[in-house]
Amino acid sequence: GENVEQHPSTLSVQEGDSAVIKCTYSDSASNYFPWYKQELGKRPQLIIDIRSNVGEKKDQRIAVTLNKTAKHFSLHITETQPEDSAVYFCAASRGNTDKLIFGTGTRLQVFP
Amino acid sequence: DVKVTQSSRYLVKRTGEKVFLECVQDMDHENMFWYRQDPGLGLRLIYFSYDVKMKEKGDIPEGYSVSREKKERFSLILESASTNQTSMYLCASRTGTGAGYTFGSGTRLTVV
Repeated sequence: GENVEQHPSTLSVQEGDSAVIKCTYSDSASNYFPWYKQELGKRPQLIIDIRSNVGEKKDQRIAVTLNKTAKHFSLHITETQPEDSAVYFCAASRGNTDKLIFGTGTRLQVFP
Repeated sequence: DVKVTQSSRYLVKRTGEKVFLECVQDMDHENMFWYRQDPGLGLRLIYFSYDVKMKEKGDIPEGYSVSREKKERFSLILESASTNQTSMYLCASRTGTGAGYTFGSGTRLTVV
């Protein structure tokens, strides 16, 4: 069946460094790829998303890249800050439907 | 801001009990979802609904049912709770295809 693999499962960086989280998906018909941030004890919140007709999208310190041929997409956080510490989930749509398949999450820790 | 409200943050139930988890959204979204979140497994889709009285099974529907009598309310029912249903349950809603989910705060259910 369709699945989304996410790596790494944990990531520790020094404040000010960059962090990269990678996901691969199996459904070639997937056309929507959101990223969610979940702080401890809180709900997942959408931080950025990208659609299959776009290769890259940026929002301040956060960017997402998509390689449809290779079926992978990545989250890039630059100039990391302690408040970026959270669990990040990638997701891919099941084809052109409203259902999302989530990755297993990456716990990012940013040390001051 | 879209609000998705889950009625309970924490629940403790006994094995064999029938359990109702309630979710209400206030933005007239057509689509609503129930996920469970477990460490190392990410978010897995239990059921979703794309309209009143309409529902579809997700990836792990066994042991669960749902009810959507009104557009704003989507209920998850554990017919006979078991210890392997101890988990965090997240409700989400979404307006049409191509939009991100808005999640509720989650219900942490413990079945003893």
